[in-house]
Amino acid sequence: DAKTTQPPSMDCAEGRAANLPCNHSTISGNEYVYWYRQIHSQGPQYIIHGLKNNETNEMASLIITEDRKSSTLILPHATLRDTAVYYCIVRALGVKDSNYQLIWGAGTKLIIKP
Amino acid sequence: DSGVTQTPKHLITATGQRVTLRCSPRSGDLSVYWYQQSLDQGLQFLIHYYNGEERAKGNILERFSAQQFPDLHSELNLSSLELGDSALYFCASSPHRDTQYFGPGTRLTVL
Repeated sequence: DAKTTQPPSMDCAEGRAANLPCNHSTISGNEYVYWYRQIHSQGPQYIIHGLKNNETNEMASLIITEDRKSSTLILPHATLRDTAVYYCIVRALGVKDSNYQLIWGAGTKLIIKP
Repeated sequence: DSGVTQTPKHLITATGQRVTLRCSPRSGDLSVYWYQQSLDQGLQFLIHYYNGEERAKGNILERFSAQQFPDLHSELNLSSLELGDSALYFCASSPHRDTQYFGPGTRLTVL
């Protein structure tokens, strides 16, 4: 699986949009970009994933660049409850079972400030 | 609520002991994954089961074993426990080659 690079920490004001970048310059054509978050010692929570098109759901939007080498997770109106560590993971959905484990980096610690 | 349940929530035991962690996947999910998260560390993949069969192994110690039962629940067995085994243990489930949904975890403390 491709390696991802994320800033270690970010701040965002409550009510503003939080934009979390992720670099995945070695991503392969069959690898998806997944975002999870972990709120202090809780189980990781799935947020969104995409292959090459931008995606939006009730939690967030995912913007993937045309060359797929980077992406941005957007939380449109951040609240204090969005304070968490956000993980960007690239993962192939091919046929090898060994591909389905998630490889976790250090993530970005997002702090939402009142 | 992801629909994945894990028991117990907390477990405190002594070195050398053996414990069993239990995971019930979401209804209909055939895959179960186990991950370990040590203090202030990222999650490390341990093992993946699909419909009762082991499919992939990660950094799982020989002292650790797992199984998935016909009703699809899974158990992670940790034996000859050491202080360094203290960690959060998460299971995740998915239909198979799809998005994984995580349980709330079991916090293991080895004294």
